[in-house]
Amino acid sequence: SQQGEEDPQALSIQEGENATMNCSYKTSINNLQWYRQNSGRGLVHLILIRSNEREKHSGRLRVTLDTSKKSSSLLITASRAADTASYFCATENTGNQFYFGTGTSLTVIP
Amino acid sequence: KAGVTQTPRYLIKTRGQQVTLSCSPISGHRSVSWYQQTPGQGLQFLFEYFSETQRNKGNFPGRFSGRQFSNSRSEMNVSTLELGDSALYLCASSPGAGRAYEQYFGPGTRLTVT
Repeated sequence: SQQGEEDPQALSIQEGENATMNCSYKTSINNLQWYRQNSGRGLVHLILIRSNEREKHSGRLRVTLDTSKKSSSLLITASRAADTASYFCATENTGNQFYFGTGTSLTVIP
Repeated sequence: KAGVTQTPRYLIKTRGQQVTLSCSPISGHRSVSWYQQTPGQGLQFLFEYFSETQRNKGNFPGRFSGRQFSNSRSEMNVSTLELGDSALYLCASSPGAGRAYEQYFGPGTRLTVT
């Protein structure tokens, strides 16, 4: 499968803690994106990082990309109950094929 | 701006039938992509349309097809439905082609095949 894989599959933390989830992929990419999905707001784009970038920030989100290891991580700082959702990475490879990872289910306990 | 809208939201069909799903992108967006989401296979890319042309296609059988109209609205058709086609079908729009642009997703159409 060309899909990325997220790790861990599920994560449960207390409100205020940081949450880190990782994504590994198999082929060379043009860019990598992170998405959040919950029942209330559907699938929402969080951040895009291009293959020539190593780190990006957006609010409480920090994404890193290591193309030599074919991996990315998403850090959510000072988590809130509203961050409870499934998080997916998605990659566009150099052949313009687009694949979602398997997702990490995050639960933030108030 | 109004978001991406998909119709219908829920659909129940019988094996062997065909179905057409509709997606209206955000005004000004010219790219529409379709995705299938199932518990077993996760989120999978179906195809992308840009300016009425299919730009990219995922690994799905020919029973899955789509088109885009001059106003950027898109339809997806599945013929000869199978039980395994039961899924949430998501459409996303973006201002440009490819994945260098942020995609905005609709709420999805939940298709159940019996």
